[in-house]
Amino acid sequence: AQSVTQPDIHITVSEGASLELRCNYSYGATPYLFWYVQSPGQGLQLLLKYFSGDTLVQGIKGFEAEFKRSQSSFNLRKPSVHWSDAAEYFCAVGGFGNEKLTFGTGTRLTIIP
Amino acid sequence: ETGVTQTPRHLVMGMTNKKSLKCEQHLGHNAMYWYKQSAKKPLELMFVYNFKEQTENNSVPSRFSPECPNSSHLFLHLHTLQPEDSALYLCASSQATNSNQPQHFGDGTRLSIL
Repeated sequence: AQSVTQPDIHITVSEGASLELRCNYSYGATPYLFWYVQSPGQGLQLLLKYFSGDTLVQGIKGFEAEFKRSQSSFNLRKPSVHWSDAAEYFCAVGGFGNEKLTFGTGTRLTIIP
Repeated sequence: ETGVTQTPRHLVMGMTNKKSLKCEQHLGHNAMYWYKQSAKKPLELMFVYNFKEQTENNSVPSRFSPECPNSSHLFLHLHTLQPEDSALYLCASSQATNSNQPQHFGDGTRLSIL
């Protein structure tokens, strides 16, 4: 069965600093990978997705993620965070078969001035 | 604006009440989902509908009753709920139920059971 691990429950970053959120997946074939963001009081918003091709994918709000098959990872990055990036971030994995989209447990991001 | 609208945004109800949550999507999608999001727990998939037909019930108690009259509307009827049912209920839609399709979420209904 597929699975997603987000090792960091909570990360605190200074405004303007760079950010990397970790995501490791387990899937028997080529995965479909997603990052979502959930701001307080809102639902999940799709940041970016990886299906195939270039392993570095660009998303909305200045985020990018890199697919590394050898490490089974799909880490989310942003060069300079803004206070409005404070939110919970979820990584998810899907595939071609009958599997359901599987979400990680999320990483809460706090931004300090 | 995500294209998925949920009402109400907040709901407080007693354990003996009956209420319904509503979800409407304007994305032309064929699949719709109900999720439960509780504090400190992973996102829980409850129900999946594809072209109005239920394709998955993830062992959800019968006090939760979904209804999908068409591909654009999804309801969750609630009755005789328990305190542990207090949570954020999220509706989502996607083009198809394949997990390679991105899901689009509403802002959720925050449910509190007294």
